[in-house]
Amino acid sequence: VIWMTQSPSLLSASTGDRVIISCRMSQGISSYLAWYQQKPGKAPELLIYAASTLQSGVPSRFSGSGSGTDFTLTISCLQSEDFATYYCQQYYSFPRTFGQGTKVEIK
Amino acid sequence: QVQLVQSGAEVKKPGASVKVSCKASGYTFTSYGISWVRQAPGQGLEWMGWISAYNGNTNYAQKLQGRVTMTTDTSTSTAYMELRSLRSDDTAVYYCARDFSGYYFSWGQGTLVTVSS
Repeated sequence: VIWMTQSPSLLSASTGDRVIISCRMSQGISSYLAWYQQKPGKAPELLIYAASTLQSGVPSRFSGSGSGTDFTLTISCLQSEDFATYYCQQYYSFPRTFGQGTKVEIK
Repeated sequence: QVQLVQSGAEVKKPGASVKVSCKASGYTFTSYGISWVRQAPGQGLEWMGWISAYNGNTNYAQKLQGRVTMTTDTSTSTAYMELRSLRSDDTAVYYCARDFSGYYFSWGQGTLVTVSS
């Protein structure tokens, strides 16, 4: 099983801030990492796959980087609609695993 | 457009079984797998398993082995997830998702399963 450590679990920020969320793997996964955004009462939505490929329709203020064991999701200029919970997910091997989630709240 | 439409909310007693459906449209059903992910109230996402809609191959989370069965009906483009011997900690929203090589482009709307005596 590949364990994931996502940090921070809670991030307080203001509109316009640059925020960075980290995801660390217990073993290397090349670039087999996805990021999702989830808003309350809604299904998650894919933001990024292959560690850094932006899903069609996702604003360019979102970006992903990393390979191997360390990955980051960056939101360059936080907008009001970005306050949500974010999850990383590895798909290098079964069982698929998700990070614990990062809630981005209004400061 | 791609849609995954899940069955409605369920209330079950401990020890019972539940079967959630996920009807796909807008794409060739057998070209992708379906994964199931659940989310307990106030908690994170938990991967439950995957099924190939092409050949029915499955891979389940270890903790659910023996209690979960995932199937597909290609004639109706529908995937099913059955969970048996339900416990209170199975109370969660259950999601199906179109699996593209391990990540999830499209998700169902979620099905709340409540286990309570």
